[in-house]
Amino acid sequence: DTGVSQNPRHKITKRGQNVTFRCDPISEHNRLYWYRQTLGQGPEFLTYFQNEAQLEKSRLLSDRFSAERPKGSFSTLEIQRTEQGDSAMYLCASSPPGANYGYTFGSGTRLTVV
Amino acid sequence: DQQVKQNSPSLSVQEGRISILNCDYTNSMFDYFLWYKKYPAEGPTFLISISSIKDKNEDGRFTVFLNKSAKHLSLHIVPSQPGDSAVYFCAATFNYQLIWGAGTKLIIKP
Repeated sequence: DTGVSQNPRHKITKRGQNVTFRCDPISEHNRLYWYRQTLGQGPEFLTYFQNEAQLEKSRLLSDRFSAERPKGSFSTLEIQRTEQGDSAMYLCASSPPGANYGYTFGSGTRLTVV
Repeated sequence: DQQVKQNSPSLSVQEGRISILNCDYTNSMFDYFLWYKKYPAEGPTFLISISSIKDKNEDGRFTVFLNKSAKHLSLHIVPSQPGDSAVYFCAATFNYQLIWGAGTKLIIKP
């Protein structure tokens, strides 16, 4: 297992298009998180899965955003009708059961909306 | 509102000296505090954590101090090495969320 894997690493899209990102967590980790980071800021929480259940969504996650983790393994984050303000680094992290710290992050997907 | 604040956007330290990175928080319900290191184009890497019931945790060159009365924590790196140059994020856990500071860019000068 090589850690948390995110694809693609970079995505450039035209405003109004839909994009989908994928995250493959560490296999024994049942918790999966999506964060968004813009320049000069720390990551902001978007959503959290425990196994396949999406337990929490931030108010930052508008109706254009949807995340899934259908089999409790990999997760996808889809953004519909992208806007320039969606340009950011999207980070995925996973953690084992019961862990309150030491989340493992992927390298992120950098989205640029033009 | 920013619950976790890192007031220094950058810090420059001579190689071999001590680097001290500071972080302030407002929410007394945070249960763990963590420090992450981030290189450009990579995800954050976990460095060290401290429980809210402790006041110090040490791991090699890294020591984190927590002052609950002041709602302040700091990361000490000694001695500083060139490979320590990165952005350092302070984060706090509340339930299953990590609440992050904006980061401090540490530059280690030769």
